[in-house]
Amino acid sequence: GDQVEQSPSALSLHEGTGSALRCNFTTTMRAVQWFRKNSRGSLINLFYLASGTKENGRLKSAFDSKERYSTLHIRDAQLEDSGTYFCAAPPGGNYKPTFGKGTSLVVHP
Amino acid sequence: ETAVFQTPNYHVTQVGNEVSFNCKQTLGHDTMYWYKQDSKKLLKIMFSYNNKQLIVNETVPRRFSPQSSDKAHLNLRIKSVEPEDSAVYLCASSSQGTEVFFGKGTRLTVV
Repeated sequence: GDQVEQSPSALSLHEGTGSALRCNFTTTMRAVQWFRKNSRGSLINLFYLASGTKENGRLKSAFDSKERYSTLHIRDAQLEDSGTYFCAAPPGGNYKPTFGKGTSLVVHP
Repeated sequence: ETAVFQTPNYHVTQVGNEVSFNCKQTLGHDTMYWYKQDSKKLLKIMFSYNNKQLIVNETVPRRFSPQSSDKAHLNLRIKSVEPEDSAVYLCASSSQGTEVFFGKGTRLTVV
């Protein structure tokens, strides 16, 4: 089965609201990465966490290695936040970064 | 500027042709990857190279072959493209198994 289970697969938000994305891991991961795929198709690095939480503007991410999950919170959503968000387990000794299936976020006016 | 650079951005070709995509990273990383993003937008790893050595070779058709001249370069050749090869191909790099950085991708269309 998938090592990285991401939810929800799709999310619709009105401008100014917020929500959370979640990734569950089937095994213990050393760290987590979050990306956003923009309209041009580029994967933009949002966060890399080995533990705890990080915040950047309206985005905040948390990672609990022991409980095997990570979250990405978006507050005060803006139209430009629309895109597909991916979480990933960075490569370990197997040199295989593993991605979730993505969350497609649409922010409406 | 330090980053992962891919060329070309787009490529349209006919079935049976050979194509080659280039990737270079200036981040000083020791590991590079090729991913394929399919029509469902899923990211599937194809190859991983660590210090010029092939480490991961997922189940991909034999017409795909990676080529690494040094740890900063990892090219991808497709010998005889098929329609199902139409996708976005993403190159990435990392250091010591930590944070991964991606290039902007190459969109291949096979007609």
